[in-house]
Amino acid sequence: ETGVTQSPTHLIKTRGQQVTLRCSSQSGHNTVSWYQQALGQGPQFIFQYYREEENGRGNFPPRFSGLQFPNYSSELNVNALELDDSALYLCASSRDYRDEQYFGPGTRLTVT
Amino acid sequence: LAKTTQPISMDSYEGQEVNITCSHNNIATNDYITWYQQFPSQGPRFIIQGYKTKVTNEVASLFIPADRKSSTLSLPRVSLSDTAVYYCLVGLLGESNFGNEKLTFGTGTRLTIIP
Repeated sequence: ETGVTQSPTHLIKTRGQQVTLRCSSQSGHNTVSWYQQALGQGPQFIFQYYREEENGRGNFPPRFSGLQFPNYSSELNVNALELDDSALYLCASSRDYRDEQYFGPGTRLTVT
Repeated sequence: LAKTTQPISMDSYEGQEVNITCSHNNIATNDYITWYQQFPSQGPRFIIQGYKTKVTNEVASLFIPADRKSSTLSLPRVSLSDTAVYYCLVGLLGESNFGNEKLTFGTGTRLTIIP
């Protein structure tokens, strides 16, 4: 059974640019959640997708947007990047939105 | 949105039992409690999940009192490889909350195991 994978592993962008991060959920999982984790902090919930629909959102501005595809993989898009967006972005999938989440290794985004 | 509080750090010796407590005073009726372990530069790893009373699996136990305003993760006989950050997560459970799923991680407890 393949676990949660994320791409790319690392990414460097310039302030004002746009970025797309990708996540492949674990086989049989229909729910994907995205988190932002700044250095030394706990993960902060961005949003969750359940069967291709947004199922809740944390306190992030609209320039953070997402998508879930029919195969339940997901994308996180961030527009107009700011320096404070530099963080580890984690994706987690679960069999159902009520079940425990399995996290991917994360994408390290650096904004300069 | 349920806020959680944990001790910032704890030290313990190898072979001892470690208990880490998480406070979640405004936990809602449909919230469940999940604990995760995270090593540097890795995603969190699921340890245990519960709603009330006591839950035990092969790696840990989770104690939740009747009022559910706190929970305690118990790690039996820790080893050096248990050195990590431990997070308490409070989230929604149930069909009635569909569309309003918000998951709150605690501040995290940095556990250091001493040989």
